[in-house]
Amino acid sequence: AQSVTQLGSHVSVSEGALVLLRCNYSSSVPPYLFWYVQYPNQGLQLLLKYTTGATLVKGINGFEAEFKKSETSFHLTKPSAHMSDAAEYFCAVSESDSWGKLQFGAGTQVVVTP
Amino acid sequence: EAQVTQNPRYLITVTGKKLTVTCSQNMNHEYMSWYRQDPGLGLRQIYYSMNVEVTDKGDVPEGYKVSRKEKRNFPLILESPSPNQTSLYFCASSLSGTSSAGEQYFGPGTRLTVT
Repeated sequence: AQSVTQLGSHVSVSEGALVLLRCNYSSSVPPYLFWYVQYPNQGLQLLLKYTTGATLVKGINGFEAEFKKSETSFHLTKPSAHMSDAAEYFCAVSESDSWGKLQFGAGTQVVVTP
Repeated sequence: EAQVTQNPRYLITVTGKKLTVTCSQNMNHEYMSWYRQDPGLGLRQIYYSMNVEVTDKGDVPEGYKVSRKEKRNFPLILESPSPNQTSLYFCASSLSGTSSAGEQYFGPGTRLTVT
């Protein structure tokens, strides 16, 4: 069975600074990995995903993530934070042979300060 | 507009009174799923459906039922709600197949309180 760990439940970044959100996973088969964002009082929205192929994945709003199999990680980055990036971010994993079952991390709340 | 709709958006009920939360999507998606979101726990999958008449348990199925009689609808049924089912519930849908795996479209959520 797969599992996801997000390091840090809250992250505060200054506007213009690097955003780095950490995600580690465990999976017994090749994983599918995702980052979702949740703005206040809304549902979740897919930021980016990795299934196969290139390990550096680019998503919406300037975010990207890199799949590192040796480190079992899928960290999310954005070079320069914007006030509109304030939201909760969730890492998720499914297994390639049973992709319907999706496991989410506990989430990381991002606060952006001027 | 492509969307997932949930009804009701807010519900306060009492222990033991059966309720149904409806979920409907207009994107002709094969896959649909229900999650509950609780503070500090992220989203936990309750049930999912790969297609009509095909459903499977997620991580927290106890106390819930689902059915998938038609492609667009995936209702969540609480036969005898209890206070520990107080939560924020999300429905989601996606196309099937590995190329679309995990690209889920989420509904706006249903906040359920069981007293």
